[in-house]
Amino acid sequence: GDSVTQMEGPVTLSEEAFLTINCTYTATGYPSLFWYVQYPGEGLQLLLKATKADDKGSNKGFEATYRKETTSFHLEKGSVQVSDSAVYFCALSRNSGGYQKVTFGTGTKLQVIP
Amino acid sequence: GAGVSQTPSNKVTEKGKYVELRCDPISGHTALYWYRQSLGQGPEFLIYFQGTGAADDSGLPNDRFFAVRPEGSVSTLKIQRTERGDSAVYLCASSLQGGNPNEQFFGPGTRLTVL
Repeated sequence: GDSVTQMEGPVTLSEEAFLTINCTYTATGYPSLFWYVQYPGEGLQLLLKATKADDKGSNKGFEATYRKETTSFHLEKGSVQVSDSAVYFCALSRNSGGYQKVTFGTGTKLQVIP
Repeated sequence: GAGVSQTPSNKVTEKGKYVELRCDPISGHTALYWYRQSLGQGPEFLIYFQGTGAADDSGLPNDRFFAVRPEGSVSTLKIQRTERGDSAVYLCASSLQGGNPNEQFFGPGTRLTVL
């Protein structure tokens, strides 16, 4: 079945450091790929997405490129801020019986210190 | 506009009791999903509704779990004879329709603790 593997956290970075959170997936067909973010005390929010190979999703300075050859969708940001501290979930969705069935990774907690 | 809301935000119950968790989706969203998020894990799919009908309930762990959406809007997840292993955050999401590329919007979740 479908699965998503992302690097374990927590990841602790200083403000303005470069961020990479690795994500690889296993799926049949051609899934769409997502990064969701969960800020403390809040619900999951879609951060960015890519729907086909070589697409780059970007939002709020974060970006990720859909790499079919390596089945990866690594999240990057050039300069993190304290406000980026949250849990980040990589996910894929695939059409299953007429709807998009979403499979999530286990999440990576990011802590940014001033 | 209002997002997805879930009540209660926290529920503590004793082993063997019955609980109901409520989800109020975004107005006009026909697709509704329930997920369960255990500590340190990502959300796991439980059930998908398109309108009033459960189109896919393959994620429900056993027959103690049941969900309804009688009028195609509000949904209730029902858990009978709760067990300690049911403790988790239960998330609800809704989308305009079920198909691609409709984004799922998540509620804040209900944290269920079974003592």
